[in-house]
Amino acid sequence: ELKVEQNPLFLSMQEGKNYTIYCNYSTTSDRLYWYRQDPGKSLESLFVLLSNGAVKQEGRLMASLDTKARLSTLHITAAVHDLSATYFCAVGGGADGLTFGKGTHLIIQP
Amino acid sequence: SQTIHQWPATLVQPVGSPLSLECTVEGTSNPNLYWYRQAAGRGLQLLFYSVGIGQISSEVPQNLSASRPQDRQFILSSKKLLLSDSGFYLCAGGLLGSVGNTIYFGEGSWLTVV
Repeated sequence: ELKVEQNPLFLSMQEGKNYTIYCNYSTTSDRLYWYRQDPGKSLESLFVLLSNGAVKQEGRLMASLDTKARLSTLHITAAVHDLSATYFCAVGGGADGLTFGKGTHLIIQP
Repeated sequence: SQTIHQWPATLVQPVGSPLSLECTVEGTSNPNLYWYRQAAGRGLQLLFYSVGIGQISSEVPQNLSASRPQDRQFILSSKKLLLSDSGFYLCAGGLLGSVGNTIYFGEGSWLTVV
């Protein structure tokens, strides 16, 4: 059974700081997905990482994938309040969908 | 690009009443379709997935059912709701067999069973 673990599950940080969210998964997969969810809203796709060593960046967010370590990271640079949300990583690639981590609830304070 | 439409957005239903949530997809043909449920707080639980018309796979035993009467239509139903069915239901779709594609989510349906 595929398991996806995120840590931390809750993170409160100040604007301007850097931090990293970690996502570990239990079985081999060459695809890793990151989503963002605002309170009361649906999920928004952020990144799709398709191969070992893949790195993608969008604004202050950068995601990377190490398939050998079964680890993905989501790095936040110089955080701003607008990045406050819950971030999910997910693994899978077949027709039976994605398996999600429990999510990281991120609060960025002024 | 692909768009997932889902309705109703919010509903409050009494215990024992029926349920029907509908989802339609624009912008792609023959997508894989999914129903997820998110209980208060966090985690997404996959309920059903479908790879084609009339093809439904269930991930968890429950009093819910799903149907796919058309290529881009996915319906979640229940004959008699339980209190434990309350939650945020998300329809999703994608072509995961294609390199680089992801799963896109609808706007979600908030269900409160009272």
